[in-house]
Amino acid sequence: EIVMTQSPATLSVSAGERATLSCRASQSVSSNLAWYQQKPGQAPRLLIYGASTRATGIPARFSGSGSGTEFTLTISSLQSEDFAIYYCQQYDNWPRTFGQGTKVEIK
Amino acid sequence: QVQLVESGGGVVQPGRSLRVSCVTSGFTFSSYGMHWVRQAPGKGLEWVAVIWFDGNSKYYAESVKGRFTISRDNSKNTLYLQMNSLTAADTAVYYCARDFRGDGLFDSWGQGTLVTVSS
Repeated sequence: EIVMTQSPATLSVSAGERATLSCRASQSVSSNLAWYQQKPGQAPRLLIYGASTRATGIPARFSGSGSGTEFTLTISSLQSEDFAIYYCQQYDNWPRTFGQGTKVEIK
Repeated sequence: QVQLVESGGGVVQPGRSLRVSCVTSGFTFSSYGMHWVRQAPGKGLEWVAVIWFDGNSKYYAESVKGRFTISRDNSKNTLYLQMNSLTAADTAVYYCARDFRGDGLFDSWGQGTLVTVSS
């Protein structure tokens, strides 16, 4: 099973600032990496797939990069609605596995 | 628009069984793989099972293999998860999710149904 490790666990950022979230895979997953956003009491929402492609309707301030074992999600200018938990997920191998999440909170 | 609505959660005693359902609309259900993903209270996401569009191929997480069965009824646009021999570790919100492009990631999710295993 591929283990996904996200850092940091919590990121404190002010609105308007840039947020950088990291995700590391225990073995290469090529570019088969997705990012999800989850707000309290809601289901996750797909943000990024293929490591860097935004899903339908996702604002351009969200961007993804990386390949192999190291990945980054960047939110260029945090809006109030972006404070949430973010999960990475690999879809290169079965079972599909998620990172433990990074909580982006208001500083 | 795409809608997935889970139901069937509740409180169940350890060792007992429960079946949760996911009724879908807004897309051609029979053309998509479908997944169950769960989230224990205050915890992260755990993929549980997938069933491909025709129902002939299924995969399970090791944690549920042999106890849970995923199935679908394409005539009813409905996904199911039969859960047997439940333990406290199975307590979670269970989400159904639509597969994206046959790749094993999830582009639409239901609101979830809470399953609590407790005596």
